[in-house]
Amino acid sequence: LAKTTQPISMDSYEGQEVNITCSHNNIATNDYITWYQQFPSQGPRFIIQGYKTKVTNEVASLFIPADRKSSTLSLPRVSLSDTAVYYCLVTELDDYKLSFGAGTTVTVRA
Amino acid sequence: DVKVTQSSRYLVKRTGEKVFLECVQDMDHENMFWYRQDPGLGLRLIYFSYDVKMKEKGDIPEGYSVSREKKERFSLILESASTNQTSMYLCASSPGGQGLGELFFGEGSRLTVL
Repeated sequence: LAKTTQPISMDSYEGQEVNITCSHNNIATNDYITWYQQFPSQGPRFIIQGYKTKVTNEVASLFIPADRKSSTLSLPRVSLSDTAVYYCLVTELDDYKLSFGAGTTVTVRA
Repeated sequence: DVKVTQSSRYLVKRTGEKVFLECVQDMDHENMFWYRQDPGLGLRLIYFSYDVKMKEKGDIPEGYSVSREKKERFSLILESASTNQTSMYLCASSPGGQGLGELFFGEGSRLTVL
């Protein structure tokens, strides 16, 4: 089972770029990475997903290096409303397993 | 819009009571999950189901059981609630195949056991 490790917390200011790195050293060939955002008293919601290299959507980018042992979620120009907990998930398709990281609390200040 | 609905947002039960947490999804998803979330411990998988009447234990199944009689409904059962089961419970669903990790979560059910 892939073990995921991410920082406990990060602080930032409005307008800055926030990068959160998740380590997943035991990732297997068919595993892929997904990131979720969670606000208090709500369920997590999907942000972005990727397998390798770079994926970008309207809210974030996901960078995955060639060895795929880590991945970085990049949030451009954060605002106060981006204050949340961000979770990294490794999905192991071959074993039908999902492994969440412990979550990173991102606090954005004015 | 896709939706996962959990029957109760807040519940208060007494030790020893039987507790049912219901979850319904309207996306025709194959996979359904029950997670428990506690401060500092992140999301821990209790049980999941990849098909009707099928279930698999997650990381912390002790003290819980599940039922999936219909594709859209996945129930979590606490046979005899204990105070250490006070927690936030999150239901999720995802498509089959490569969609396994594309989870859609409900709003959560906060259970307090007195």
